[in-house]
Amino acid sequence: EVQLVESGGGLVQPGGSLRLSCAASGFTVSSNYMSWVRQAPGKGLEWVSTIFSVGDTFYSDSVKGRFTISRDNSKNTLYLQMNSLRAEDTAVYYCATSTYYFSSGSYQYFFDYWGQGTLVTVSS
Amino acid sequence: QSVLTQPPSVSGAPGQRVTISCTGSSSNIGAGYDVHWYQQLPGTAPKLLIYGYINRPSGVPDRFSGSESGTSASLAITGLQTEDEADYYCQSYDSSLSGWVFGGGTKLTVL
Repeated sequence: EVQLVESGGGLVQPGGSLRLSCAASGFTVSSNYMSWVRQAPGKGLEWVSTIFSVGDTFYSDSVKGRFTISRDNSKNTLYLQMNSLRAEDTAVYYCATSTYYFSSGSYQYFFDYWGQGTLVTVSS
Repeated sequence: QSVLTQPPSVSGAPGQRVTISCTGSSSNIGAGYDVHWYQQLPGTAPKLLIYGYINRPSGVPDRFSGSESGTSASLAITGLQTEDEADYYCQSYDSSLSGWVFGGGTKLTVL
């Protein structure tokens, strides 16, 4: 059974840093595409970052240059290092597995398994 | 302002049918990127509901169905049940933004 458990959220001051973890079980993180998606309080879903099994990484414009996605294969864990945090980064952060297929001349990606989320609050 | 446009809310009585639209543009749905749908029950994480416009993962009731039309997609829910009350999100990829995008979400109320 696929399970994703996020941790590392909390209260941090603007400009501060935080590292989120996503412990996976039931599958191998390094063999899968993995993503972070966030949801600000009372708002919709926003894609944050994705790492491919080959190691390629992708970021939304809102976090590029400040956040880093990575993984530890020995711990089967996904991470999100968040630096220079801003108030607008306040959200529940979910990790998710990303599955892909080829259709209409393009690779198509969706998020199939999700963790329960961890809350990050950026405030002074 | 989301790249994919959804109605903020829809409602229906138990047993009825409702549809939720997701309208995109030439850089996402119109560019051949498929639409996927998620259900988020109150206080829980999102759950994959439909992928590739029409495909239901194992365990999703056939009351949920999807369709596509040009630069839009739709989610239909038939035989509405009270437990269907949730937020529903569409998702695709946008080539202009070089990233994955979600609709703003639609809150379904079962009257």
